[in-house]
Amino acid sequence: DVKVTQSSRYLVKRTGEKVFLECVQDMDHENMFWYRQDPGLGLRLIYFSYDVKMKEKGDIPEGYSVSREKKERFSLILESASTNQTSMYLCASSPRDRGNTDTQYFGPGTRLTVL
Amino acid sequence: ILNVEQSPQSLHVQEGDSTNFTCSFPSSNFYALHWYRWETAKSPEALFVMTLNGDEKKKGRISATLNTKEGYSYLYIKGSQPEDSATYLCALMAGSYQLTFGKGTKLSVIP
Repeated sequence: DVKVTQSSRYLVKRTGEKVFLECVQDMDHENMFWYRQDPGLGLRLIYFSYDVKMKEKGDIPEGYSVSREKKERFSLILESASTNQTSMYLCASSPRDRGNTDTQYFGPGTRLTVL
Repeated sequence: ILNVEQSPQSLHVQEGDSTNFTCSFPSSNFYALHWYRWETAKSPEALFVMTLNGDEKKKGRISATLNTKEGYSYLYIKGSQPEDSATYLCALMAGSYQLTFGKGTKLSVIP
């Protein structure tokens, strides 16, 4: 079974803090993704990575950065958290073998509250 | 940013009823259409990946169809059960590895 884990289910941080959200997958997938989900909006892509040390901006990268030093781990960084970054954050991974139609496998999500 | 629309936004059905909902997407640069089910407090789970016009896929009581020429996909649930209650997401892959998600259809099945 593919397993995608995220470091925390719930997180409360203060405005201005640096926040790290960690994601680990155990299926040797090349592609990894960070999304956020807000009420009334679909899942929106923040960043993705198709290889170690590679990253691509998604639709809403402002205020975020990412790190992919190892294949299995993809970190989302909020350099200076703000209240508008309060959201549910989901990580996903997918293999690259069969082209770009592959299913994405999601983690359980981290609900981040910024006070 | 691609526009993927789902309707209805939410619906309530009685146990045993059949139901369907729609995903609309721009048909240019189409690579694939994904359907996911997202139950409360769980991870989104893949249902189908559809790539060919006229594709029809089935998993138990759930099936989906695809029309890439007119840019829509239908998801059908036959004989809805309470465990089908979830948000159903469709997502368009139009290039690279990136999925663009719709806002979802939230289904509640009343016992």
